Amino acid sequence: AQTVTQSQPEMSVQEAETVTLSCTYDTSESDYYLFWYKQPPSRQMILVIRQEAYKQQNATENRFSVNFQKAAKSFSLKISDSQLGDAAMYFCAYTDKLIFGTGTRLQVFP
Amino acid sequence: DTEVTQTPKHLVMGMTNKKSLKCEQHMGHRAMYWYKQKAKKPPELMFVYSYEKLSINESVPSRFSPECPNSSLLNLHLHALQPEDSALYLCASSQERFGRGSYGYTFGSGTRLTVV
Repeated sequence: AQTVTQSQPEMSVQEAETVTLSCTYDTSESDYYLFWYKQPPSRQMILVIRQEAYKQQNATENRFSVNFQKAAKSFSLKISDSQLGDAAMYFCAYTDKLIFGTGTRLQVFP
Repeated sequence: DTEVTQTPKHLVMGMTNKKSLKCEQHMGHRAMYWYKQKAKKPPELMFVYSYEKLSINESVPSRFSPECPNSSLLNLHLHALQPEDSALYLCASSQERFGRGSYGYTFGSGTRLTVV
């Protein structure tokens, strides 16, 4: 069975600094998708970034980028120039059924 | 329209009540999903509808009954719930049919359900 692990329950960062959230997963599939979702206190899950496993190039969306290491089954999220509005719960998720990790709560300090 | 709309936002119901949660999207998405999220936990998949047909039921108790009347609408009918069913219920939709790759899901803001 596929599993997704986020080993950092909480992280904090100062405004304008960079933070990296970790995610590892386990699968026997060769073709799949990985996602990072953000859930602010408003409750709505917001897609941050998406990575296709067959693509070597790491995905980037503005201040958000991933470090995808397929052999190591690692999928970390880097947030650059952190903003107060980035404070939220971040979930790593795997492919169609969206198997979620346990989440990392990110705090951003001014 | 790039939203998934869920109603109601909050619901309190007794254990003998029957109620329904509603989810609507007008993005032409062909797959729709129900998730349950307990406090401080990740969402857990309950049901998947692909092209208006039930594709996945993740061993959900029969007191939860999903319905997809058309491609834009998804309902979750609730009957004889238990206090442990209190949670945030999230609806989502995705562009392609389930299992054909994924551009990610669009989520609604959920219904906060309390069973008393």
